Amino acid sequence: DNVMTQSPLSLPVTPGEPASISCRSSQSLLYSNGYNYLNWYVQKPGQSPQLLIYLGSNRASGVPDRFSGSGSGTDFTLKISRVEAEDVGVYYCMQVTQTASATFGPGTKLQIK
Amino acid sequence: QVQLVQSGAEVKKPGASVRVSCKASGYTFTAYYIHWVRQAPGHGLEWMGWINPNSGGTDSAQKFQGRVTMTRDTSITTLYLEVSGLSIDDTAVYYCAREAFPLGDSLCGALDYWGQGALVTVSS
Repeated sequence: DNVMTQSPLSLPVTPGEPASISCRSSQSLLYSNGYNYLNWYVQKPGQSPQLLIYLGSNRASGVPDRFSGSGSGTDFTLKISRVEAEDVGVYYCMQVTQTASATFGPGTKLQIK
Repeated sequence: QVQLVQSGAEVKKPGASVRVSCKASGYTFTAYYIHWVRQAPGHGLEWMGWINPNSGGTDSAQKFQGRVTMTRDTSITTLYLEVSGLSIDDTAVYYCAREAFPLGDSLCGALDYWGQGALVTVSS
């Protein structure tokens, strides 16, 4: 099975400061079509998860441009350029294998200092 | 607007089965994969599987194979997840979520619309 790891698991951030979350896969997520099958989600307290970034680096509709995704192969990063209070929640990376099976990472809890 | 509206909370005994429904509206029902994801209390997200609403074809995570059945009724644009042989560990919120890109594109796991979740509690 493809294993996903995230770090850190807990991330206290001062508003206005940047934040960065790492996601690593045990197998390459770069497929022959040139896309990385890695997505980022946030689950805010009491809500269903929301798509932030798809295929490694594409912001989903309505996602503020302070969110960005980067990386390729097995190492990926979600960056928030300036954290706001509304960004509190748990951030998950999620990968899809070439056999169309998916796995979520363990999640990173972002809190405001 | 796209909506996925799920059935209500359920309480089941160990060994029983549960069926959760997901009513889709606001888009072409047969054009987009639907995934099922669950979240145990205080835990992270766990992917369960997907269904192709056009063909009815499915795939599920290995740990759920043989215990999970995903179906759909195109006449009422509703998806169903049935889990059998319930144990305490199946207590969770079960979500349905739509793949962002139409059938014909490869599954990439970009889930753009989610249901509100259905809490299933397994207790003796």
